[in-house]
Amino acid sequence: DAKTTQPPSMDCAEGRAANLPCNHSTISGNEYVYWYRQIHSQGPQYIIHGLKNNETNEMASLIITEDRKSSTLILPHATLRDTAVYYCIVRVGGAQKLVFGQGTRLTINP
Amino acid sequence: DTGVSQDPRHKITKRGQNVTFRCDPISEHNRLYWYRQTLGQGPEFLTYFQNEAQLEKSRLLSDRFSAERPKGSFSTLEIQRTEQGDSAMYLCASSFQRGPSTGELFFGEGSRLTVL
Repeated sequence: DAKTTQPPSMDCAEGRAANLPCNHSTISGNEYVYWYRQIHSQGPQYIIHGLKNNETNEMASLIITEDRKSSTLILPHATLRDTAVYYCIVRVGGAQKLVFGQGTRLTINP
Repeated sequence: DTGVSQDPRHKITKRGQNVTFRCDPISEHNRLYWYRQTLGQGPEFLTYFQNEAQLEKSRLLSDRFSAERPKGSFSTLEIQRTEQGDSAMYLCASSFQRGPSTGELFFGEGSRLTVL
């Protein structure tokens, strides 16, 4: 699975959009971009995934650049409950496992 | 609650003792994964099952570790002769995988092990 690069930490004000970047310059054509988050003392939670088109669900939006070498997870109206570590992972569809990196620790400030 | 269930949530043991963790996946999920997570690190893959078959084991899974999924439903992870370095959160996840579908993983709350 390709490696990803994320900033170790970010801050965002409550009510504002949180934009979390991820670089995956060595991504292959059949690899998806996944985002998971982990709130303190809980297991990771799936957020969203995409292949090449932008995706949106009730939790977030995923913007993938045209060359697919980077992506951005957008939490449109961040709340205090969005404080968590966010993991960007690239994975072949149907692959056996997720390989987690260090993630980005996002802190939402009141 | 129909999510992934893990038991016990917390376990404190003395070095050298054996411990066993249980994971009940989401019903009808055919894949089950075990991960380990230490403080400040992302989860590390240990092993996974497709139904009852253990298909991959990480090099992290030393011979003191054994995992089973006897009937393709619940799974157990046993650690023999525990060491202080085994102290971690042990996470279980399950997914439904069919063909090339992306099969999101659903994680349990984890079992926290402290070895004294």
